[in-house]
Amino acid sequence: GESVGLHLPTLSVQEGDNSIINCAYSNSASDYFIWYKQESGKGPQFIIDIRSNMDKRQGQRVTVLLNKTVKHLSLQIAATQPGDSAVYFCAENRWVEGGKLIFGQGTELSVKP
Amino acid sequence: NAGVTQTPKFRVLKTGQSMTLLCAQDMNHEYMYWYRQDPGMGLRLIHYSVGEGTTAKGEVPDGYNVSRLKKQNFLLGLESAAPSQTSVYFCASSLAGVNEQFFGPGTRLTVL
Repeated sequence: GESVGLHLPTLSVQEGDNSIINCAYSNSASDYFIWYKQESGKGPQFIIDIRSNMDKRQGQRVTVLLNKTVKHLSLQIAATQPGDSAVYFCAENRWVEGGKLIFGQGTELSVKP
Repeated sequence: NAGVTQTPKFRVLKTGQSMTLLCAQDMNHEYMYWYRQDPGMGLRLIHYSVGEGTTAKGEVPDGYNVSRLKKQNFLLGLESAAPSQTSVYFCASSLAGVNEQFFGPGTRLTVL
């Protein structure tokens, strides 16, 4: 069935290094792809989104890349900090269905000081 | 602004009992959502609402009902709780046509 999934369940990086979190999707008709960050014991927090007709979008210390040819999405975090430690989810937004988010499984990012 | 708040934070039910989870938002958002999150997994949409008085089914609606009588509130009901409904429940809200959803802190529900 349709799904949004992640390649790796865990990622460990050294403080100051760049992090790359990957996501595969299967629904080519999605309108937007979104990254959320979830810290332990809290609800998800919006990071950045990218429209399906774009290849790249940059935010503060984050960049999202979309490769529609291979249905792949990535989140790059520059100069990773301990505060970036969390679970990161990619999600697919289908506005034709009222803005429903379809979440992937999540990648746990651990930042070593 | 309090943002999105959820009541209660924790609850333990016995199989067959009923309960209602309350979500409230003070951001005047049109859209509201209920998700559940099971261990090690992403969130799955239960029901959602695009406006006062309207509701629609999400991915996993069975065993749940919802109501949106007021724009700021979205209630999630479990008529007859089952152990499979043990989960963390998150409410979210957003402006119409905007991708960013604001999530509440969650309700941890255990059904024995």
